Amino acid sequence: KQEVTQIPAALSVPEGENLVLNCSFTDSAIYNLQWFRQDPGKGLTSLLLIQSSQREQTSGRLNASLDKSSGRSTLYIAASQPGDSATYLCAATGSARQLTFGSGTQLTVLP
Amino acid sequence: KAGVTQTPRYLIKTRGQQVTLSCSPISGHRSVSWYQQTPGQGLQFLFEYFSETQRNKGNFPGRFSGRQFSNSRSEMNVSTLELGDSALYLCASTLSLGTGSYEQYFGPGTRLTVT
Repeated sequence: KQEVTQIPAALSVPEGENLVLNCSFTDSAIYNLQWFRQDPGKGLTSLLLIQSSQREQTSGRLNASLDKSSGRSTLYIAASQPGDSATYLCAATGSARQLTFGSGTQLTVLP
Repeated sequence: KAGVTQTPRYLIKTRGQQVTLSCSPISGHRSVSWYQQTPGQGLQFLFEYFSETQRNKGNFPGRFSGRQFSNSRSEMNVSTLELGDSALYLCASTLSLGTGSYEQYFGPGTRLTVT
């Protein structure tokens, strides 16, 4: 059974700092790894998806990497802004198209 | 292209009642998945529907059921509500990437409160 872990559970940084969020998974037989953002009481916004054959994806100030062999993914946020404050979730997709989510990292960017 | 829509956005029900939630996927997406999100358990997979057939089911009791219509819209039903069913219910519309990989797009969710 796939298990996904995210560290740290919470992170508070000053505006402008670069930061890294970590995600690990136990079963490397994944189809892709997806990073989401969730604002309080809202749904999930997809940020980046890395297919199993890829090593990284970039979108603006965000960069996500995937290392299937070690069961790890990282989300790098450059030059953080207060608007980046949210909960970030990673999810692994298995063969049944079912997403297994981590418990999330709650990010606060202080002005 | 319109995103995933879910109705209603908020619901308050009493223990023992039943509830039906609705989800309309992105146009052209034929697969719909449902997830439950609670503070204690996080996000958990409920079930997936494709072409009106349940293709996959998570570890939830039989009180949780769903269906999908020919236009890909989906409903989920929870019977005999319990306090522990209070949660944010999220629907996801799935896009096949053609490589055996899939990308899921989520709706805003339905916040269910059981009193």
